[in-house]
Amino acid sequence: EAQVTQNPRYLITVTGKKLTVTCSQNMNHEYMSWYRQDPGLGLRQIYYSMNVEVTDKGDVPEGYKVSRKEKRNFPLILESPSPNQTSLYFCASSFGTGQGYTFGSGTRLTVV
Amino acid sequence: GENVEQHPSTLSVQEGDSAVIKCTYSDSASNYFPWYKQELGKRPQLIIDIRSNVGEKKDQRIAVTLNKTAKHFSLHITETQPEDSAVYFCAGGGGADGLTFGKGTHLIIQP
Repeated sequence: EAQVTQNPRYLITVTGKKLTVTCSQNMNHEYMSWYRQDPGLGLRQIYYSMNVEVTDKGDVPEGYKVSRKEKRNFPLILESPSPNQTSLYFCASSFGTGQGYTFGSGTRLTVV
Repeated sequence: GENVEQHPSTLSVQEGDSAVIKCTYSDSASNYFPWYKQELGKRPQLIIDIRSNVGEKKDQRIAVTLNKTAKHFSLHITETQPEDSAVYFCAGGGGADGLTFGKGTHLIIQP
């Protein structure tokens, strides 16, 4: 089944403790992206990747890192999480920049 | 970068009536405009999209129109049903930096 898989689905962590949210797609998509969803603010792009080893900042990149060492994987790294990073995170992928996204099931992160 | 504005933030319609959600965009280079539906607790799902070389696209009860000159596009849902209740997001882009989303419209279908 074609899908984007995110893990974990839920995560509660403490301020400053490094964490990684994994994202993997099995559709051979070149384009991958991370968004955060907050009430009243919609979906805001954190980072995106057009292909292996090619990543760039989105609209809200502060406090996040990404890597794209393989085409299928695009992990999101929070080196020192803070409470303002409490949010619902979605990974998305597509064949190209002008194509519809397939979203992962989301990761609800709480930083206390 | 692109800026997408979406209105209204909440829309309540009677079952069977039509619903219209409107979006405007700022970047004239944007050429791809998808619409996503997000049900409570679920991921956004693509329901329809339109490219800048097309003015209108239909798929059963949903349609999207695009006015490139005015830089706005709209989602039309006819004969609304209870399962249409959800949050709808418009998006614009198609360039290297991907899609910029509107803030969403909560559509409520009243029985």
